[in-house]
Amino acid sequence: NAGVTQTPKFQVLKTGQSMTLQCAQDMNHEYMSWYRQDPGMGLRLIHYSVGAGITDQGEVPNGYNVSRSTTEDFPLRLLSAAPSQTSVYFCASGGNEQFFGPGTRLTVL
Amino acid sequence: AQKITQTQPGMFVQEKEAVTLDCTYDTSDPSYGLFWYKQPSSGEMIFLIYQGSYDQQNATEGRYSLNFQKARKSANLVISASQLGDSAMYFCAMRELNQIMIYNQGGKLIFGQGTELSVKP
Repeated sequence: NAGVTQTPKFQVLKTGQSMTLQCAQDMNHEYMSWYRQDPGMGLRLIHYSVGAGITDQGEVPNGYNVSRSTTEDFPLRLLSAAPSQTSVYFCASGGNEQFFGPGTRLTVL
Repeated sequence: AQKITQTQPGMFVQEKEAVTLDCTYDTSDPSYGLFWYKQPSSGEMIFLIYQGSYDQQNATEGRYSLNFQKARKSANLVISASQLGDSAMYFCAMRELNQIMIYNQGGKLIFGQGTELSVKP
């Protein structure tokens, strides 16, 4: 099992550009989520999904879109990147024990 | 609203000694779960231990134990016999379990700000 995988590991964007952060899991988990981690802070929930076709907003959803067409994949889209979205992004899946991906470090200039 | 508070930004402990990392929480839901995660300098999030609000006994996982005091709304992590490899950020998190009943599994985690633990040789 690969667990939770995320791509890319690093990304630099210019303000206004769009991109998609990829997340995949091979554990057949229904629940998946996206968090962002800023310096000196814990993780904050962006969006989550309880199964294919079902998504909902978390604590900080503005500027991000998600969709869930399969159980395995849960991509996060930045529609128009802003410097405030510079952060480390984590994808997670699971139940009581949530498994986190390795993270994507995003810088928006 | 749910809230997790970790009041110790940084902690130092001597190798082989025990250390307690504090965590207090606030929720109006009677069913919830409490978690501790470790984040080493490499950045990954590592699950350490879980405590359910209705669990009668404190959770233990190897050198990790959770000192759960429900009336005080605290869920402190105790690491026994600290090792140099324990140096990392530690995050306390909470999830309301009524979400489990609705969604069958999973649930939104609320994290504290973290405590940076440094183990001295």
